[in-house]
Amino acid sequence: AQRVTQPEKLLSVFKGAPVELKCNYSYSGSPELFWYVQYSRQRLQLLLRHISRESIKGFTADLNKGETSFHLKKPFAQEEDSAMYYCALQTGANNLFFGTGTRLTVIP
Amino acid sequence: GAVVSQHPSRVICKSGTSVKIECRSLDFQATTMFWYRQFPKQSLMLMATSNEGSKATYEQGVEKDKFLINHASLTLSTLTVTSAHPEDSSFYICSARDGASLGAFFGQGTRLTVV
Repeated sequence: AQRVTQPEKLLSVFKGAPVELKCNYSYSGSPELFWYVQYSRQRLQLLLRHISRESIKGFTADLNKGETSFHLKKPFAQEEDSAMYYCALQTGANNLFFGTGTRLTVIP
Repeated sequence: GAVVSQHPSRVICKSGTSVKIECRSLDFQATTMFWYRQFPKQSLMLMATSNEGSKATYEQGVEKDKFLINHASLTLSTLTVTSAHPEDSSFYICSARDGASLGAFFGQGTRLTVV
């Protein structure tokens, strides 16, 4: 069965420090993976997707099929990055499953 | 970006009554819509996936007769919580995607409280 695991519920880093939010998945098919972000009092929104290999707001994420991971990284955290981050897996059946989320706090 | 509007944002209802939540895609045609439920401090739990014009596919453990989903048009899906009970109180979120783009766009969510 498909599963998305985000091991860290809370993550705090200082401004300017590197940040990595971990995501591991379990899925027998070919995965499509996403990161979603929810800023305070805003709706959930797409941050990036692995298939486009883009960098949004300085964030990148590489799909590692060997480690079944899709960790989100940013070399220098900013205060405005403080938010709730969700890793998500889309299956071949067109369903979208989420991890439990990681609350990132960037300390000034 | 694409906008998904969910209504109402908050609703309080009496136990035993039914509540309908609407999810609209405002500037794109949503071929697929998802309904999620989020308990406090837990992840978004997928309840069902619906494709326009066909019956929704429910996840295991979700009662289809209790959570009625209708996706009658490419811009509207509704979730009706029938005979609501206090344990149905939760945060319900819809999302939608069109046929071309990857990822999904989310509504702002509905806080349902059953008293």
